[in-house]
Amino acid sequence: GAGVSQSPSNKVTEKGKDVELRCDPISGHTALYWYRQSLGQGLEFLIYFQGNSAPDKSGLPSDRFSAERTGGSVSTLTIQRTQQEDSAVYLCASSLVWSVETQYFGPGTRLLVL
Amino acid sequence: GQQVMQIPQYQHVQEGEDFTTYCNSSTTLSNIQWYKQRPGGHPVFLIQLVKSGEVKKQKRLTFQFGEAKKNSSLHITATQTTDVGTYFCAGIGQGGSEKLVFGKGTKLTVNP
Repeated sequence: GAGVSQSPSNKVTEKGKDVELRCDPISGHTALYWYRQSLGQGLEFLIYFQGNSAPDKSGLPSDRFSAERTGGSVSTLTIQRTQQEDSAVYLCASSLVWSVETQYFGPGTRLLVL
Repeated sequence: GQQVMQIPQYQHVQEGEDFTTYCNSSTTLSNIQWYKQRPGGHPVFLIQLVKSGEVKKQKRLTFQFGEAKKNSSLHITATQTTDVGTYFCAGIGQGGSEKLVFGKGTKLTVNP
């Protein structure tokens, strides 16, 4: 595709509900990254995938967060039992190979937990 | 673990003034990347520096990578209102995690 796409662009949910965020990386990019950006803050690394495997899950804030990637392409980030502090913009990025290559960011999903 | 720090956190300038943001890593880096995020937008890659002491220019932007590969700077000459945004540096540590670690960014505002 032309760029990284994410859906939904905005999500409002009630505390305690589960949400699923989707990322479509650039075609042919083997590496995929998830970041979280709270209002006015920097980028917080969550997880990255090389192919379908996730060598580094250290950034996931709690066991309520999980992510998967199938077919080396689309990835989903799932947040279970959402809390108000989960409210943030969730950004996905992809690169041709892992880390040393330029990361291309998607537009993000703005999550608001009421 | 590896930490990347950026200063200043905020910078407000008059249009036409110069601007510099500094990035410092707690460990030696294999490379450093710079991104710009416009208000309401997502980070966009600007440049990557790999060599010790490397200097690269993009029009009014000058990027430097320190000799020790632990610090970097971005300098904008004669700022314009289109330069408004948050500038992030991101680095990968040598011989360790391949994870790209981002600084917290410098938010630049330009008064016309």
